[in-house]
Amino acid sequence: NAGVTQTPKFRILKIGQSMTLQCAQDMNHNYMYWYRQDPGMGLKLIYYSVGAGITDKGEVPNGYNVSRSTTEDFPLRLELAAPSQTSVYFCASRTPRSTNTGELFFGEGSRLTVL
Amino acid sequence: RKEVEQDPGPFNVPEGATVAFNCTYSNSASQSFFWYRQDCRKEPKLLMSVYSSGNEDGRFTAQLNRASQYISLLIRDSKLSDSATYLCVVISGKFYFGSGTKLNVKP
Repeated sequence: NAGVTQTPKFRILKIGQSMTLQCAQDMNHNYMYWYRQDPGMGLKLIYYSVGAGITDKGEVPNGYNVSRSTTEDFPLRLELAAPSQTSVYFCASRTPRSTNTGELFFGEGSRLTVL
Repeated sequence: RKEVEQDPGPFNVPEGATVAFNCTYSNSASQSFFWYRQDCRKEPKLLMSVYSSGNEDGRFTAQLNRASQYISLLIRDSKLSDSATYLCVVISGKFYFGSGTKLNVKP
């Protein structure tokens, strides 16, 4: 039962470096999301996708890019990393029924530190 | 104005206490409501649904007041294992998360 898998779990970046956070789900979910969570704060939506080939911005998209070439994968790219991007990143997926069930399936998170 | 607002706490309570968290939401057309639990350094997980008629699951009771646009979660007989952050979630097309209320249950 893999569910939503995120890699890497931990990463330290230097200012100005780039990297990609990987997210894959094996539940054939159309909806996928990237959130960031700063210490002691709530979840902020970065980008989301309602299906392969379709992506849209959330509340805090600046400094990030996404792609959705397949149903399974939804990578998040950080270009020119900044200390303000130090956070925990969560990927999540759901079905259309989730608006009734409330269930978002989260990955275990990726802890990113930018120094 | 934020879609969902919660008191961040922390709420520090002794084992066995009853504790209640509240959450308000701004969109009166919101469709559905839930509570999530997030343990320290873990991902959020769905705890329970919230209905106007109330929803009870063991020691946990969730309630929705649509007129006041207010959601509550009551935990009775608190256990050490209840220590976590509780997030309220409101769905109005999208999922909107509150910033969470931290609960510390002390021996």
